[in-house]
Amino acid sequence: DAGVIQSPRHEVTEMGQEVTLRCKPISGHNSLFWYRQTMMRGLELLIYFNNNVPIDDSGMPEDRFSAKMPNASFSTLKIQPSEPRDSAVYFCASSLSGPSSYEQYFGPGTRLTVT
Amino acid sequence: DAKTTQPPSMDCAEGRAANLPCNHSTISGNEYVYWYRQIHSQGPQYIIHGLKNNETNEMASLIITEDRKSSTLILPHATLRDTAVYYCIVRVQGADGLTFGKGTHLIIQP
Repeated sequence: DAGVIQSPRHEVTEMGQEVTLRCKPISGHNSLFWYRQTMMRGLELLIYFNNNVPIDDSGMPEDRFSAKMPNASFSTLKIQPSEPRDSAVYFCASSLSGPSSYEQYFGPGTRLTVT
Repeated sequence: DAKTTQPPSMDCAEGRAANLPCNHSTISGNEYVYWYRQIHSQGPQYIIHGLKNNETNEMASLIITEDRKSSTLILPHATLRDTAVYYCIVRVQGADGLTFGKGTHLIIQP
C-alpha cells in the first residue's frame, strides 16, 4: 500500500486566495483525520470523519475552513479566504475505526505558506 | 484525554538504550498509553501502546508502572535515525483524534 497520500506537498499562495488540500486515505480505512502543525500551537486536530461523515469539527479554527469527504477514498480541506496565520503543515491521517482501533497512519503533510 | 508530562529534550549515545519517561497521574482505568514519534519533516508515526502490561514490538518496549501513573518508552539500541520528537498520549482506545502535547525531542549522538 502507498500509505496516506496528500497533495500538494507544498503550496504557496497569496492572502485572500482559496486553498484546497487533498488527501487519499489508506484503502479500507474508514476514519480520516485532518491535523495542523505550527511552531506556536504544535499538532492540533482540526476535524475527523468516520465512514465519510464528519464526527467532530470542534478544532476547525473558523468558518474560513471547511472539510469534505465525498467518498471513502478522498477528502479535501479548503481555506477560503486564506490568511498568513494559516501558514502551517497540514497532515491527513487514516485508521480503522472501532474499539480495537489503535494506530493512525499519517501522510507526509502539505506545507502551506500564505504571503 | 488525561494530560501527560514529558521532558522537553533528551540526549542518548548511539547504540545505547534510550529511556523516555512520561507522567500521566490522572489516567483513567480505560485509558491506554500510546507513543508516537515525528522525525523531522515527516508525519507522526505510531510506535507502541499499552493498557497496564508491559509491551514490546520490533520498534520499542513500553513499561507501565503498576499504578499506571507513569510509563517509559525504551528504544533498546538507539541509532541516529531515532532522532525525533516522541509523543506520549493517553486516551480511550477508539476512532477519535489524537491530542498531542509538546513531546520529548530525543537527540541521538554519534
